[in-house]
Amino acid sequence: DVKVTQSSRYLVKRTGEKVFLECVQDMDHENMFWYRQDPGLGLRLIYFSYDVKMKEKGDIPEGYSVSREKKERFSLILESASTNQTSMYLCASSSLQNPYFFGPGTRLTVT
Amino acid sequence: DQQVKQNSPSLSVQEGRISILNCDYTNSMFDYFLWYKKYPAEGPTFLISISSIKDKNEDGRFTVFLNKSAKHLSLHIVPSQPGDSAVYFCAASRQGAQKLVFGQGTRLTINP
Repeated sequence: DVKVTQSSRYLVKRTGEKVFLECVQDMDHENMFWYRQDPGLGLRLIYFSYDVKMKEKGDIPEGYSVSREKKERFSLILESASTNQTSMYLCASSSLQNPYFFGPGTRLTVT
Repeated sequence: DQQVKQNSPSLSVQEGRISILNCDYTNSMFDYFLWYKKYPAEGPTFLISISSIKDKNEDGRFTVFLNKSAKHLSLHIVPSQPGDSAVYFCAASRQGAQKLVFGQGTRLTINP
């Protein structure tokens, strides 16, 4: 069974903390994505990666960075967490032949 | 600029009836469209897709219709079942691009 896993389901952090969200896929997909989901706004793309060590900004990259050192792993970093980054974070992977597969999501609360 | 729009935040349908979810897009370069279903506390799961060379694609109880001239697509679920209660996201992409653009989502509730 194919899988995209995320390191935490629920996370509570304080304002100003550095936060790491990890995503791992076992499908050998080239592409990996980080989205955030907010009510009324749908899924908005933060960053994506087409290959190892490659990254591209999505629609809302401000306040975030990413790292892809290995093909199966894509990390999202909040350099200094703020309350407006409280959200559901969704990781996805895909290849040319397949639609996205999503992980279960991480509900991040920044207090 | 919202390139993919789902104008109905919620929809309530009687069990056994047809559910119709709508989606509009503005970018004429989009040529591949997908629907995802999301339960609370889970990631979205792929439901059905359609390429712009078709105007209809069917998979069991789910049918997606594409009207390119109107830049509109719809998802029909018939008959609707209680397990269909979820948030449905419409998504679009253009050829050669792996990036999907998602709509805001529609919360579908199926009433017994």
